[in-house]
Amino acid sequence: AQKITQTQPGMFVQEKEAVTLDCTYDTSDQSYGLFWYKQPSSGEMIFLIYQGSYDEQNATEGRYSLNFQKARKSANLVISASQLGDSAMYFCAMSCRTGANNLFFGTGTRLTVIP
Amino acid sequence: DSGVTQTPKHLITATGQRVTLRCSPRSGDLSVYWYQQSLDQGLQFLIQYYNGEERAKGNILERFSAQQFPDLHSELNLSSLELGDSALYFCASGEGQGTYEQYFGPGTRLTVT
Repeated sequence: AQKITQTQPGMFVQEKEAVTLDCTYDTSDQSYGLFWYKQPSSGEMIFLIYQGSYDEQNATEGRYSLNFQKARKSANLVISASQLGDSAMYFCAMSCRTGANNLFFGTGTRLTVIP
Repeated sequence: DSGVTQTPKHLITATGQRVTLRCSPRSGDLSVYWYQQSLDQGLQFLIQYYNGEERAKGNILERFSAQQFPDLHSELNLSSLELGDSALYFCASGEGQGTYEQYFGPGTRLTVT
């Protein structure tokens, strides 16, 4: 069975500082994808970044980077130079090659950026 | 803008009623996924359609059903509604089987009173 664990219900970060949101996963599949989504208070789910299980390099998208440690089964999101608009819920998710490719989500981390 | 559209944005209805949520996937995407986000269950997968056929089921209640039409839009039907069905319902689309990326629509917020 697939499982995503986010152990930080809430995080605070000072504006312009970097922050790491933790995510660990569990799966017996060898081929899978890891995702981070942002959900602002308006409710929409915004795709941030993707990492494939066979990708050797950590994924980066602008100020977002994914710190992928396969042996530890962790996929932490690093946001650099935090902005006030980064305040939102952040969800880590996983999709496996076998089956329907549906996403399994963690419980989320609420990030608050302090001016 | 993800390119996935969902209607309506908000829906308020009474217990026992039936509603239909609509989703149009991104152009070229064959897969549609439905997810439910509620306070007690979090985000969970309901059902997937691929090119008109049901591909997989998650934690979907028997009172709920879905279909995908030839033009690839999908509808999620919720019947005999209960207070606990109040949630944000997302549709996501992807290119197809074997790919991972899914793009979410803006969601339909359902309130059952």
